[in-house]
Parts: sequence; structure tokens; C-alpha cells
Amino acid sequence: QKEVEQDPGPLSVPEGAIVSLNCTYSNSAFQYFMWYRQYSRKGPELLMYTYSSGNKEDGRFTAQVDKSSKYISLFIRDSQPSDSATYLCAMRKDTGRRALTFGSGTRLQVQP
Amino acid sequence: GAVVSQHPSWVICKSGTSVKIECRSLDFQATTMFWYRQFPKQSLMLMATSNEGSKATYEQGVEKDKFLINHASLTLSTLTVTSAHPEDSSFYICSAYEQVTGELFFGEGSRLTVL
Repeated sequence: QKEVEQDPGPLSVPEGAIVSLNCTYSNSAFQYFMWYRQYSRKGPELLMYTYSSGNKEDGRFTAQVDKSSKYISLFIRDSQPSDSATYLCAMRKDTGRRALTFGSGTRLQVQP
Repeated sequence: GAVVSQHPSWVICKSGTSVKIECRSLDFQATTMFWYRQFPKQSLMLMATSNEGSKATYEQGVEKDKFLINHASLTLSTLTVTSAHPEDSSFYICSAYEQVTGELFFGEGSRLTVL
């Protein structure tokens, strides 16, 4: 079983829709949770960064972490065609500068 | 913001040859860099942790003699794929922590195709 599970999609939505992306994980030691956006043939770019359980909002993006369920989510409001990309969840166990464990990524297509 | 640069962004080589990929932190010093490999429609898989001035730490299943990592300065780490074969064709991405802020930055990736 993978440490981090993420539905690969693809997920296709109309412009303006609310998008929900999710990951589950098995290791309760993960404390720091991130969402990255990756355009085709490019490196990942950080969207959201959260610590432990709770919500965090930044513009059209909201990240939720539920440690009791080992479940994290990213919501995108008023989705735009420019949001079309692969979204990767990632997590880390401590504050040390260690490598991240990634989900497989969900490919999102926002139709104009 | 801080930038991590990779070069080349795209390389094609013949089977049996060696290819070197560079990862540079352009405006910050990075004592630790990470090398990932990503196959199509799959996640980033950590290959190794590169530490400035010391040997790299490889993940289980990654051949250290095949994937040579050198981190000779605080701004440069290199990954050399030795005797490359078609199964080594992949997207290689590096990342580095900015020392002061602790933020992690990723390079743009290097696509290797071995014929």
C-alpha cells in the first residue's frame, strides 16, 4: 500500500465550478501538508502549506486537513481554464528539511 | 522568490552513454538538495538526498553507481546517469531548501530520453 493515495483522474469540470481534490495517507506521523500544481513538463509549484489539522484559505484555494481521518483536501472556487494542471498532494513528518512524500497527482481539466 | 534552475531541460542520448543534469540554486545557498524521478502520469519518487560536501543518501532500490550525485558547492548539485538505458527515460526534478526561510523550491525538471 502506498503511503499517500490520490485519485489520478482525469477530472473535467466546466469553468466556474468548485473543484474538490483529495488525498488519503496511512502514516500518522505526517504533520505538514502541501498542495503543488504542476503544469505539463514543468516542475511543481507550491500552492498551499498547512500544519496539522484545520483549514487554510488563500484566494480561490482552500486546504483542509483532517488528521483523525488521515484525509486532506484542496478546494478550488470559480475554477478557470488556467487552473488546468496536475495537482499533487505532499506531506512531511517533521520540521527538518527532509524530502516530501507525494501523492500520484490528479489531472484537472477546466473546460471554458 | 528563490529560483532553482535545471539544465538541460531536455536531452536525448543513445543507450550506453552517460548524461549529466545540473541543479543550481540561483539566489540562495542550499546545503541539501533532493533528486526525484517522475514517470508519465505518476508521482515524484525520491531518488536521493544530496548533501553539500558529503556523499548522497540514496533511497532503497536506487543504484548509486548508476545515478551519481555530486554536490560540490552550496549552489550546485549534479546527477549523472551512467550507461543510460531506455528504461532510464524519465523526468528528473531537483529541489532545494532555502536556508533562511526553510522554503522548498523545485526546479523545472529535465526530460531524459534514451534511445
